[in-house]
Amino acid sequence: LAKTTQPISMDSYEGQEVNITCSHNNIATNDYITWYQQFPSQGPRFIIQGYKTKVTNEVASLFIPADRKSSTLSLPRVSLSDTAVYYCLVEYGNKLVFGAGTILRVKS
Amino acid sequence: DTEVTQTPKHLVMGMTNKKSLKCEQHMGHRAMYWYKQKAKKPPELMFVYSYEKLSINESVPSRFSPECPNSSLLNLHLHALQPEDSALYLCASSQPGNYGYTFGSGTRLTVV
Repeated sequence: LAKTTQPISMDSYEGQEVNITCSHNNIATNDYITWYQQFPSQGPRFIIQGYKTKVTNEVASLFIPADRKSSTLSLPRVSLSDTAVYYCLVEYGNKLVFGAGTILRVKS
Repeated sequence: DTEVTQTPKHLVMGMTNKKSLKCEQHMGHRAMYWYKQKAKKPPELMFVYSYEKLSINESVPSRFSPECPNSSLLNLHLHALQPEDSALYLCASSQPGNYGYTFGSGTRLTVV
């Protein structure tokens, strides 16, 4: 059974690095992991995507260990405006499964 | 243009009404999607169009009827909805097989 699991919530302070983990035990070799950010009353916004090792862009990094049973979204030096819900979306063959979302609260 | 535009932003409809949600993108994406999102839940896939043909229907009730008139437009026709259908309806687009979607801001639908 394909299941994508994330922590329900996390708290952080401005300027800290935040790591959010997503568990996906049944992912196949070439299936992708994608992360989205969502603010209230808006659609999700694409953050980053990858399927192995490490991917980095201007806003985040995505770490995927060799066994691919989990992945970690890393947000460097968060600010108050990063307070949002973060979803991982995992491809299991032809089935896409969103995690339940992680509420990130950034405090000053 | 890097946006997906959805109209209307808000919609209140009665259970006997017929209404339509509209979605438009000009990024050249050939896959378009309808998602439904309830409060504090992740988006749930409803329909996928790939190259203007319906490729996935996630067992959605027939009171929801999708239409893809061309590669830039996606509609969702609504008829005889129930109050439990109230939700945020999200449109997204991408290249087929790529799940780095661009989402619209959604239509907040309330069925009374």
